[in-house]
Amino acid sequence: GAGVSQSPRYKVAKRGQDVALRCDPISGHVSLFWYQQALGQGPEFLTYFQNEAQLDKSGLPSDRFFAERPEGSVSTLKIQRTQQEDSAVYLCASSLGITGADSPLHFGNGTRLTVT
Amino acid sequence: AQSVTQPDIHITVSEGASLELRCNYSYGATPYLFWYVQSPGQGLQLLLKYFSGDTLVQGIKGFEAEFKRSQSSFNLRKPSVHWSDAAEYFCAVGVQTGANNLFFGTGTRLTVIP
Repeated sequence: GAGVSQSPRYKVAKRGQDVALRCDPISGHVSLFWYQQALGQGPEFLTYFQNEAQLDKSGLPSDRFFAERPEGSVSTLKIQRTQQEDSAVYLCASSLGITGADSPLHFGNGTRLTVT
Repeated sequence: AQSVTQPDIHITVSEGASLELRCNYSYGATPYLFWYVQSPGQGLQLLLKYFSGDTLVQGIKGFEAEFKRSQSSFNLRKPSVHWSDAAEYFCAVGVQTGANNLFFGTGTRLTVIP
């Protein structure tokens, strides 16, 4: 497709379960970002990939969060031992350029994670 | 540190009325500024951006925004609102270095009444 695709759209997990969220960026886009959007808030940066290299993971809230992009295209955000505070919408975005500031981000529709 | 403030959590306007959504930013250098719109269950769509040059920028869907350095503002405007404009609007500031380079405000929810 032409846009950023995320799956699943909705995920319900019991506290303590592991989850994996997938992002298919726009083909050829170098940069890939993950954001976390809590209810009623703006998106907050989690991590950034330039091709397959994870250049910034400073926004990951704990060591339970792990992201990868092994071939420089599809990315997976994994959350281990989910907690209720992990409930949020997880947005993936990609851009053609190296950074998002001058190369507009294209967002997916997000994965809504609910931890019960 | 950079930050974005959107002072209005929720705005209600009548269809056909004009609209102004406020955004104030804090950043030590010349910022890149963006407005995004998010419809329910959707991702964010870029409305417009300011990098340099003319301080009045035009975007999609009839939106425009004006960068005012003296007021550290980047307010979004539309002369006549349509019912389909009802959504959440996010202002964001982009910094020029580093990867963590988009900082979003908390958003303004727009309701349009007939």
